Amino acid sequence: DADVTQTPRNRITKTGKRIMLECSQTKGHDRMYWYRQDPGLGLRLIYYSFDVKDINKGEISDGYSVSRQAQAKFSLSLESAIPNQTALYFCATSVPLAGDTDTQYFGPGTRLTVL
Amino acid sequence: AQKITQTQPGMFVQEKEAVTLDCTYDTSDQSYGLFWYKQPSSGEMIFLIYQGSYDEQNATEGRYSLNFQKARKSANLVISASQLGDSAMYFCAMSAYNQGGKLIFGQGTELSVKP
Repeated sequence: DADVTQTPRNRITKTGKRIMLECSQTKGHDRMYWYRQDPGLGLRLIYYSFDVKDINKGEISDGYSVSRQAQAKFSLSLESAIPNQTALYFCATSVPLAGDTDTQYFGPGTRLTVL
Repeated sequence: AQKITQTQPGMFVQEKEAVTLDCTYDTSDQSYGLFWYKQPSSGEMIFLIYQGSYDEQNATEGRYSLNFQKARKSANLVISASQLGDSAMYFCAMSAYNQGGKLIFGQGTELSVKP
């Protein structure tokens, strides 16, 4: 079984609709992240969470919200989807290493299309 | 601010030959980590290799090695004995030690391996 799962894997929705992307992990990591990938732009950080009570905005948080329901679950919501939110969305987890930085483990991605 | 630059949008290599993918970075942090990820056409992000800023030796993982030149702020990925399955997008990323594991990504290089 995959350590980081994302649902749905593909979603097509219409402008103005509310949509939630879900992420679950079995790695027991405290840190979780949501990234967005657009063609030619690499991945950009939307939100991140260091534990259930610690949620922070990333580089491109406008138009998005998140919920950390448990250590294992981190959801991303688009309150009112717009076409330029069409992208590939990744969830990731990590654990800090002493005196070092984290290695992140990515989910399989959710391909979202907003019409 | 941190920045990752990958100047090669696309690269071709003959099967069984070695190839170098370029990555330069900019940061004012003294402690940081550099990463390479592979993204095949299926979309998932696969962690390949990591180099810490204080590591004196270049990192190696099987056919992957990271040519780390700190003074030049470069972290090039070298793939030896290329295989057809190496055809994919490759992303360079970095994270400062005090940034909670947040990754900054480059724009990626698309590698095509020719038989």
